[in-house]
Parts: sequence; C-alpha cells; structure tokens
Amino acid sequence: AQSVTQLDSQVPVFEEAPVELRCNYSSSVSVYLFWYVQYPNQGLQLLLKYLSGSTLVKGINGFEAEFNKSQTSFHLRKPSVHISDTAEYFCAVMGYNTDKLIFGTGTRLQVFP
Amino acid sequence: EAGVAQSPRYKIIEKRQSVAFWCNPISGHATLYWYQQILGQGPKLLIQFQNNGVVDDSQLPKDRFSAERLKGVDSTLKIQPAKLEDSAVYLCASSLRTSGGVTQYFGPGTRLTVL
Repeated sequence: AQSVTQLDSQVPVFEEAPVELRCNYSSSVSVYLFWYVQYPNQGLQLLLKYLSGSTLVKGINGFEAEFNKSQTSFHLRKPSVHISDTAEYFCAVMGYNTDKLIFGTGTRLQVFP
Repeated sequence: EAGVAQSPRYKIIEKRQSVAFWCNPISGHATLYWYQQILGQGPKLLIQFQNNGVVDDSQLPKDRFSAERLKGVDSTLKIQPAKLEDSAVYLCASSLRTSGGVTQYFGPGTRLTVL
C-alpha cells in the first residue's frame, strides 16, 4: 500500500518569490509520482510526473520537482511565482503495475502581490 | 484532443433524493475512474472500470452508490438516497497505459450540495 504526506496545508508567498511545496511518500514497491494543480471550481490538471530516468522533472508553468528515493520525497519548486499560481496543489503516488492514484491532502498556495 | 467531459457541473439536492452524474472519457482510454473529493481533502477513489468491467469498487458505499459503464465508453455514477455527508466534488478521470506508464486525466468535476 502507498500513502502520501503533504507537510504544509497552506503556503503563503509574495509574487516573484521562490516556493517549495513538500511531499513525502511511503510505499513497499516502486512508484510513479505526480503533481496535480486544482484551480478554483475546476478539475485536476497534471503539472508533472516522474516515471523513471532523470530525478529532476520539469513540468508546465515553470514548475519542477525532484525525486529523492532515499528520502522518499518529491518536492515541487518554482523559482518565481505569479499571482496566477494561486491554487491547490496535490501530490500523488501510483504503485508499479497498478493504475490507482493515492493523493495527499493538498497544499494551498496563496500568492500575494 | 478533447478532454474528459462531465455533467452537470453543479447540483443541489435535498437529503434522501437521488442524483446521477455523467462522464465521457478521453477517446481511446480504456480505464475510467470516479473520485470523491470532500472539501479540504484529496480525491478518494470510489470505483475503477477497465472497459466495461469493474476493477476496484472497494471504497464505493454500495448501499447508496452505484456506477455503470455499459458500453465501455461513458459512465454514470448514481447516489440514492443522498446524505448530507455526500456533499463533495465528484471527479471523473480516464487513463491509457503506455510503455511510459499510466497517467490519469481529470474532468472538471461535479459539485454536489446536499441540503
């Protein structure tokens, strides 16, 4: 079984500042890792995913994440945020040979001008 | 490429009434999922279909929830009778397994309010 912990429920940040949203996972098998973003009153949009290969993954809207197997982490980063990045961000894990996503509880990113 | 379609987008009902949600996945995606997202929480899988067969419905409250995907394409999720705690966003997703793994794509969701 897998589980995901998103360590921060809310992250306030000023516009143009860097941000890191933290995600740790637990699994007894190898996993795929995902970050999704949810804007108000919308569904989930895929930001990026780690399937294999390079541990640094680049996604849409200038976001990137680094897979750290020893620390079982997959933190999301952006060097300079915009007001439009205000949204809920979900980390999710999927075990190899399953199609099931297990989500964290989400991190609310609030960008202030 | 068209995304996952869901309707209605919003629904308000009174407790003990019934309600149905519809989902049309991305063309060619064999796997379809229904999730329940309660306010302040991450999505929780309710049921997973592979073509028109159920793969996993272990988290579906079967005394009141039902779902079908009769022709292996679109799907309907029904709640009968609804309870206050069913107020949530119901998300539909679809996926396709490739050599690179599986990625789920989500629809806009249906926000259900039970009064």
